[in-house]
Amino acid sequence: QVQLVQSGAEVKKPGASVTISCKASGYIFIDRDVHWVRQAPGQGLEWMGLLKPRGGSTNYAQKFQGRVSMTRDTSTNTIYMQLNSLRSDDTAVYYCARVTYSSGWESFDYWGQGTLVTVSS
Amino acid sequence: DIQMTQSPSSLSASVGDRVIITCRASQNINTYLNWYQQKLGKAPELLIYAASSLQYGVPSRFSGGGSGTGFTLTISSLQPEDFASYYCQQGYTFPWTFGQGTKVEIK
Repeated sequence: QVQLVQSGAEVKKPGASVTISCKASGYIFIDRDVHWVRQAPGQGLEWMGLLKPRGGSTNYAQKFQGRVSMTRDTSTNTIYMQLNSLRSDDTAVYYCARVTYSSGWESFDYWGQGTLVTVSS
Repeated sequence: DIQMTQSPSSLSASVGDRVIITCRASQNINTYLNWYQQKLGKAPELLIYAASSLQYGVPSRFSGGGSGTGFTLTISSLQPEDFASYYCQQGYTFPWTFGQGTKVEIK
């Protein structure tokens, strides 16, 4: 069965960097784009960007340009999301999500369990 | 960026009630609209894609409609397990954007 398993919770100081992993299984890794979405405590969902595992190309939300990097390791079917220069308002649960395609329409059909990143001095 | 606005932000309803949540896009997104359900402490789950297509395994009491800029999510008869937050999301153009969410609570 399809699974996206994320790395564990992190506590970081302001200005630091965090890297979250998302290990995919149960499907052909390079066939499905993977996006990252975050959710601050008590808030809604915010799209951060996507990675295409086949070639490694990315598309980031303008808000995170210059601060985020998404990469993959095709030997382990793992996607990584690194966020730099952390601020307190980066405290959130970060999700990876797989895209499914239906006649040209795209949506997120499988999600990771989420990784809580807490930024605090 | 395309702004997605949901209404209401929250609602109280009873088991068996018909519930309608609306989502409005700031520009035409055709039918590139998805709906997700999120329960407390869990990842979102896909309910509806392409505005009106029911995701496999989702109960038929959930339905979606609309196109262009106006969309609805309808729960025909609210069940205890439906108390959750619901989000619309446009997949028409990047950056993909979500509505602010609608929390459905027990009356």
